[in-house]
Amino acid sequence: QVQLVESGGGLVKPGGSLRLSCAASGFTFSDFYMTWIRQAPGKGLEWVSHITYSGSTVYYADSVKGRFTISRDNAKNSLYLQMNSLRAEDTAVYYCARQMGEVPSATPPADWYFDLWGRGTLVTVSS
Amino acid sequence: QSVLTQPPSASGTPGQRVTISCSGSSSNIGSNTVNWYKQLPGTAPKLLIYSNNHRPSGVPDRFSGSKSGTSASLAISGLQSEDEADYFCAAWDDSLNGLFGGGTKLTVL
Repeated sequence: QVQLVESGGGLVKPGGSLRLSCAASGFTFSDFYMTWIRQAPGKGLEWVSHITYSGSTVYYADSVKGRFTISRDNAKNSLYLQMNSLRAEDTAVYYCARQMGEVPSATPPADWYFDLWGRGTLVTVSS
Repeated sequence: QSVLTQPPSASGTPGQRVTISCSGSSSNIGSNTVNWYKQLPGTAPKLLIYSNNHRPSGVPDRFSGSKSGTSASLAISGLQSEDEADYFCAAWDDSLNGLFGGGTKLTVL
């Protein structure tokens, strides 16, 4: 079954750390860029970070740069998000998603979309 | 505030045609393709339209996408009660950022 399953969310105090995991199954994980997207309660979607096939290149939203680290283990079909120095505004459901399209692209227009999503894991940052 | 601008709400009656707009700039919609997602309450988003106007397998042909310049639109024809949901547009920005619109809540009256 083709699916993504996130885990690792929970309640953490401001300034704390948390590591999210995403287990992929049913497809060749190493053939895809992977992405983390979050959604604050009652708000819209926000791209957080994405990682290339081998993990050699990563990209981050300005809002998390320097605090979050994305990584992957293709042998374990797993994606990770290490979140440090957490803030109240990081409170959100975090989704793992399979990305289609390689961005940035040397040949625009660039495709960038997500055809498979996990159910999400809730991260709450509060004292 | 999202860089991709969508109306916060839209509505229509069953059978009607509804369009949702998404406005961006030359560095995102003007340079790259647009995609659309549907999200029901408490669930993950689902891909509806990719590469401006392509439908993934299983998405009814009542849904269509278009793009012109720095704007894009999602059209839903033959509106049904199950279309009531939040809809988000998205595009890559050449400033090395992924962008989503703020979302449009569609109500079927």
